[in-house]
Amino acid sequence: KNEVEQSPQNLTAQEGEFITINCSYSVGISALHWLQQHPGGGIVSLFMLSSGKKKHGRLIATINIQEKHSSLHITASHPRDSAVYICALETSGSRLTFGEGTQLTVNP
Amino acid sequence: DGGITQSPKYLFRKEGQNVTLSCEQNLNHDAMYWYRQDPGQGLRLIYYSQIVNDFQKGDIAEGYSVSREKKESFPLTVTSAQKNPTAFYLCASSTGARGYTFGSGTRLTVV
Repeated sequence: KNEVEQSPQNLTAQEGEFITINCSYSVGISALHWLQQHPGGGIVSLFMLSSGKKKHGRLIATINIQEKHSSLHITASHPRDSAVYICALETSGSRLTFGEGTQLTVNP
Repeated sequence: DGGITQSPKYLFRKEGQNVTLSCEQNLNHDAMYWYRQDPGQGLRLIYYSQIVNDFQKGDIAEGYSVSREKKESFPLTVTSAQKNPTAFYLCASSTGARGYTFGSGTRLTVV
């Protein structure tokens, strides 16, 4: 069983829809990261969470440490949000364990 | 602006040749990492370094080598011993509480 599981694997939405991507994990962590990877391959760090909730623009990330679950929400989605969204666990020694990613496509 | 520079963006290598991927950061981060990404799979850790002149193997270190002679630089050599080197390679750095910064990646193809 993978230490980190993301769902869904693929998600297609219409512009303006509210989007949720989920991440469940099975190990103790020091932090959880949400990353965005565009078609060219470069990765941008969106959030680093150890508890609670963070918001940046239309993006909201939450984490429930007891339930070992995190969600990434996108409000008022836009085609430029189309990307792969990756959940990553930070464990000992600042190493990251990555989920397989969620491919999001937002259609105009 | 501070960031991570990976070069080249695309690299072609003949079978049996060693090749070195460059990673430079001007963020003053202590820790640096190399990850490999294959289609449909999550990123996997090759090597990491938490301080100059020290580095540790990650989960898939076989066929790779690194050095960390300067804080700013963490080059990765893909040796001829790596059986399936065609992949996307990402370099990252971190400074603990402030999280990670990633490079734009190098796509290596063996021809």
